[in-house]
Amino acid sequence: DAGVTQSPTHLIKTRGQQVTLRCSPISGHKSVSWYQQVLGQGPQFIFQYYEKEERGRGNFPDRFSARQFPNYSSELNVNALLLGDSALYLCASSIFQGQAFFGQGTRLTVV
Amino acid sequence: GEDVEQSLFLSVREGDSSVINCTYTDSSSTYLYWYKQEPGAGLQLLTYIFSNMDMKQDQRLTVLLNKKDKHLSLRIADTQTGDSAIYFCAESRDQAGTALIFGKGTTLSVSS
Repeated sequence: DAGVTQSPTHLIKTRGQQVTLRCSPISGHKSVSWYQQVLGQGPQFIFQYYEKEERGRGNFPDRFSARQFPNYSSELNVNALLLGDSALYLCASSIFQGQAFFGQGTRLTVV
Repeated sequence: GEDVEQSLFLSVREGDSSVINCTYTDSSSTYLYWYKQEPGAGLQLLTYIFSNMDMKQDQRLTVLLNKKDKHLSLRIADTQTGDSAIYFCAESRDQAGTALIFGKGTTLSVSS
């Protein structure tokens, strides 16, 4: 069984640019959540989507947005990138109530 | 407090037991989780416990939950060098059980 897949695995962007990260959940999982993990810290919750609707949002600025598609895959968009947005971005999928399974993450470096 | 708290570092010898402790924040949290993260990798779900349980055992892993003190622990029996990693405790505060609040992680170092 394929796990949670994220793309790309690494990318480098310049301050002020925009970035789109992608996530495909485990087959049969309808919920996708996004987390930001800054080096040396635990992951911080950004968004949760279920059945294409936003079901939860963490304490992140409006520069962060996301959406979920009919096939339950998801995209995370970050506009006007700042140096502080450099982090590992993790996607997790789950059945609505249940254990969250994480992908390998996308390492974003903003220069 | 508002944060999930863990000790930052634990060092053990191969074959010993490791105990990683965590204090969580919300007594109404439904699920409590332990995740493992190896260098440069994502998070691997190790085990979880539902809030109405006191203990859960899964092979070398034992999770103990003290709801009164909001204390969670993970015991790894017969610790191996391959267990060296960062271990995160996480609680879910929402009804969906998927908006997780993580601690800063405990780095486990296993020496042979």
